[in-house]
Amino acid sequence: QKEVEQNSGPLSVPEGAIASLNCTYSDRGSQSFFWYRQYSGKSPELIMFIYSNGDKEDGRFTAQLNKASQYVSLLIRDSQPSDSATYLCAVIRGTGNQFYFGTGTSLTVIP
Amino acid sequence: NAGVMQNPRHLVRRRGQEARLRCSPMKGHSHVYWYRQLPEEGLKFMVYLQKENIIDESGMPKERFSAEFPKEGPSILRIQQVVRGDSAAYFCASSPESGLWNTDTQYFGPGTRLTVL
Repeated sequence: QKEVEQNSGPLSVPEGAIASLNCTYSDRGSQSFFWYRQYSGKSPELIMFIYSNGDKEDGRFTAQLNKASQYVSLLIRDSQPSDSATYLCAVIRGTGNQFYFGTGTSLTVIP
Repeated sequence: NAGVMQNPRHLVRRRGQEARLRCSPMKGHSHVYWYRQLPEEGLKFMVYLQKENIIDESGMPKERFSAEFPKEGPSILRIQQVVRGDSAAYFCASSPESGLWNTDTQYFGPGTRLTVL
């Protein structure tokens, strides 16, 4: 079982819609969760992080964490073509100090 | 305020040669992490270093790969006797010294694309 799993997509949404990206993790003791965006041929850039159960909002982005179900999601409201990228979920386990990354979900926002 | 810097951005080597990848963390950051990304795969952790110390190298291949972060200068990821399977993007990330390594955000450099002919 992979440490972090994401649906590879591709996920396509029309401009202005809500894009929903999901991630599950295997270690119940995981405590820190991150979403990165990676454009093709570029390096990952941090979108947001979340540590506590519930929702965390930052502009058009909302991260949702449910530790009981071991999933974390990212909602992108009012999706724009510039949001088209691969979104990486990363988790720090309860022990150790590694970031475990999912393989990413490819998002395409159609104008 | 410069971000994480990596060089070279592109590196071509022939099989059997050595590859040296350099990473300078963000100003004020003392933790460095190296990752490898293969096409269609996620980022794979390789090694975590602080100044003059390797903290976690559990993701490093047992042979040919080594890393250091000296007191002065950049962190170096060294691959000896490269093979075609080493072709990948190698990313470095850094985080600040907050004492809370397990919650610190990592900021990524632009990566080095290694091609082994």
